Amino acid sequence: ETGVTQSPTHLIKTRGQQVTLRCSSQSGHNTVSWYQQALGQGPQFIFQYYREEENGRGNFPPRFSGLQFPNYSSELNVNALELDDSALYLCASSLAGVDEQFFGPGTRLTVL
Amino acid sequence: SQQGEEDPQALSIQEGENATMNCSYKTSINNLQWYRQNSGRGLVHLILIRSNEREKHSGRLRVTLDTSKKSSSLLITASRAADTASYFCAIYTGAGSYQLTFGKGTKLSVIP
Repeated sequence: ETGVTQSPTHLIKTRGQQVTLRCSSQSGHNTVSWYQQALGQGPQFIFQYYREEENGRGNFPPRFSGLQFPNYSSELNVNALELDDSALYLCASSLAGVDEQFFGPGTRLTVL
Repeated sequence: SQQGEEDPQALSIQEGENATMNCSYKTSINNLQWYRQNSGRGLVHLILIRSNEREKHSGRLRVTLDTSKKSSSLLITASRAADTASYFCAIYTGAGSYQLTFGKGTKLSVIP
């Protein structure tokens, strides 16, 4: 059974650029959630995808968008990057109706 | 906003000692979960306790939940150097999509 994987591991962008982060969910999981974790803080919920549709969103602006594909993998897109977007982005997969979420290792994004 | 608040923010103990971390929250919950994070990487699920449970054990971990005080504690017994990590509580309110609200975490250092 393959766990949750994320790519890339690290990424450096400049302010105003756009970025795409990728997540492959654990085998058999149909729900993917994305979290942003700033340095020294706990993760904050960005949004969740279930069956290729957004199924809940946290307090993040529209320039944070996502996709889920038929194989349940997912992308997080961030447009018009700001310095405060620098953070660890975590993806978590789960099976709908089951409580436990399995987190990937994260992508560390640095915005200069 | 982060509803879970861990206490203390940092804890340093000797190997073999017990470590206790506390979490307080503000709303009604469906369940409360504890996660471990090593060196700013992915989160590892430790234990989940439901709102109708008062105590749960898993190996060297003991979690208690007091819904009247809106608080939980995580006890790690006979700590090991490998337990050095940040520990986060996360709540699920039961409303809407399955999104977790995390606290800022407790940074535990276990000295060999």
